[in-house]
Amino acid sequence: DAGVIQSPRHEVTEMGQEVTLRCKPISGHNSLFWYRQTMMRGLELLIYFNNNVPIDDSGMPEDRFSAKMPNASFSTLKIQPSEPRDSAVYFCASSLAPGLAGERAKNIQYFGAGTRLSVL
Amino acid sequence: AQSVTQPDIHITVSEGASLELRCNYSYGATPYLFWYVQSPGQGLQLLLKYFSGDTLVQGIKGFEAEFKRSQSSFNLRKPSVHWSDAAEYFCAVLNTGFQKLVFGTGTRLLVSP
Repeated sequence: DAGVIQSPRHEVTEMGQEVTLRCKPISGHNSLFWYRQTMMRGLELLIYFNNNVPIDDSGMPEDRFSAKMPNASFSTLKIQPSEPRDSAVYFCASSLAPGLAGERAKNIQYFGAGTRLSVL
Repeated sequence: AQSVTQPDIHITVSEGASLELRCNYSYGATPYLFWYVQSPGQGLQLLLKYFSGDTLVQGIKGFEAEFKRSQSSFNLRKPSVHWSDAAEYFCAVLNTGFQKLVFGTGTRLLVSP
């Protein structure tokens, strides 16, 4: 299995531009997570999906951020307009969602290599 | 709310020496705990996990961790550190919804020759 695939690996953009980050989860996984990692705040969960449906977006910092999962094999995280404080490493992770109470063992999250975003 | 504390920001260990990274959690029920490692420029790789049963769990790369309920701890250990172990290590707990991971702030391990 190729694992979770994120693109691009690095993105440099200017303030005000739109940025789109992409993620392909592990085949067969039905949960997808977007995280942001910064020195100041560490690893933060932004949003996660189960079966392509957003379940919890309480970590999305503001309306400039949006995420979609049009199908089971693809998700995007968009920032529009981007600001310098959005500079961070963005990770995508996928897992098998627990289908029944007690099936926690399924919920092991596998991470992609991340996208390092620099907004100038 | 669940939380994870990793009290050591940096640790330096000589190659060949033993290692222990500390992790304390706050959780109202039986926690599901994880250790991940992040090498420079890489994503997070799962080292080991604790769900139930034996409180000493074995992981990859020669790592192990011990769950101690009385101390709310899940410390990571390795008997002999290799230079390739230099990385950042994250402890995490799964929340009551069984899907959201709450991470500690990480411990950066430096290995000296």
